[in-house]
Amino acid sequence: DAKTTQPPSMDCAEGRAANLPCNHSTISGNEYVYWYRQIHSQGPQYIIHGLKNNETNEMASLIITEDRKSSTLILPHATLRDTAVYYCIVRDNTDKLIFGTGTRLQVFP
Amino acid sequence: GAVVSQHPSRVICKSGTSVKIECRSLDFQATTMFWYRQFPKQSLMLMATSNEGSKATYEQGVEKDKFLINHASLTLSTLTVTSAHPEDSSFYICSAEKRTGGANVLTFGAGSRLTVL
Repeated sequence: DAKTTQPPSMDCAEGRAANLPCNHSTISGNEYVYWYRQIHSQGPQYIIHGLKNNETNEMASLIITEDRKSSTLILPHATLRDTAVYYCIVRDNTDKLIFGTGTRLQVFP
Repeated sequence: GAVVSQHPSRVICKSGTSVKIECRSLDFQATTMFWYRQFPKQSLMLMATSNEGSKATYEQGVEKDKFLINHASLTLSTLTVTSAHPEDSSFYICSAEKRTGGANVLTFGAGSRLTVL
């Protein structure tokens, strides 16, 4: 079973920041938080991952709470091409990557 | 970067025939690859873990004799759907694992859409 819970859907206006929350209250000390997204009929695309510290790359920022029980993926300036299903996954380096139901983000003009 | 190539992207076959799907890591070596299946409007379901040089580990409910997995090299894993039936029609996606900054990050292929007539 997936170890995370996410809202099923969110809307965001183009150009605004999209903040996607994820709860992972049972996360253990050696488990990373990974974010992927899947655009319709394509394979999932890796976005970002983190363990304890906040992370930023060219695609997004990942904010992890101090107790690590939740995190937020931030797309700073959403575009129409960011419309996708976003998956938050926790796993350690020996675990399988199990997908939950994700959040369907709709970016509108 | 890490790139995973999956082929074919689409395949249509007759019931009872076998279909092979290839998954290649193009710019890195992958000891471990994973195979997923996705039905319409559902999330990805893990089918099996493919380990280079050893037998694949299948998830509960996945028939190992029907979904043959071979991982003969560090850059190639194959999934063969044997004696395919219409209910095997699905979107099959592979992924390869690469060490990145202390974590094992999965890179996914573009997927293979199988239609069994």
